[in-house]
Amino acid sequence: AQTVTQSQPEMSVQEAETVTLSCTYDTSESDYYLFWYKQPPSRQMILVIRQEAYKQQNATENRFSVNFQKAAKSFSLKISDSQLGDAAMYFCAYRGFTGTASKLTFGTGTRLQVTL
Amino acid sequence: GAVVSQHPSRVICKSGTSVKIECRSLDFQATTMFWYRQFPKQSLMLMATSNEGSKATYEQGVEKDKFLINHASLTLSTLTVTSAHPEDSSFYICSAPRPEAYNEQFFGPGTRLTVL
Repeated sequence: AQTVTQSQPEMSVQEAETVTLSCTYDTSESDYYLFWYKQPPSRQMILVIRQEAYKQQNATENRFSVNFQKAAKSFSLKISDSQLGDAAMYFCAYRGFTGTASKLTFGTGTRLQVTL
Repeated sequence: GAVVSQHPSRVICKSGTSVKIECRSLDFQATTMFWYRQFPKQSLMLMATSNEGSKATYEQGVEKDKFLINHASLTLSTLTVTSAHPEDSSFYICSAPRPEAYNEQFFGPGTRLTVL
């Protein structure tokens, strides 16, 4: 079974600064997807970024980028130029490529605070 | 705009009563939907996979007789919490994978259930 680990329960960053959230995972599959989701106080889950394991290039979405290290099974999220609206819970998630492909396995989450 | 809706957004009920939560995919068909439960400050825990036209698949430890799932059509899944007790109070979230979007999971806004 796949597992996803987020070792940082809480992180804090100053506005306009950069912060990196850590995620590691365990799987025996060679092809899979990895995601970062944001859950603001409204509790609506919002997809931040997606990475396909077969792609060597790290995914980037505006101020959000990932550092995907397949051999190390590491998938960290970097938020640049942090904004107050980035304050939320962030969940790392894994999804297999085939079979029950759409089933997501979530990490325990990291609460990000953004200070002035 | 929202592609998955949930109704109601919050519900308060008396202990012993049953509560039905609806999850709808608004502009796509979903043969599969997922139901999650989230306790305060915790991650999303998958409860069950709802399958259109067949029985739901429950995760280990989830009582299928207590959490009844019906996938009535390609756009509607319902979760009924039967004989609710205070310990069933939680935040329930559904999601649906969108086939034309790499099976990306779109999440509903969630339902807060409070059992008195």
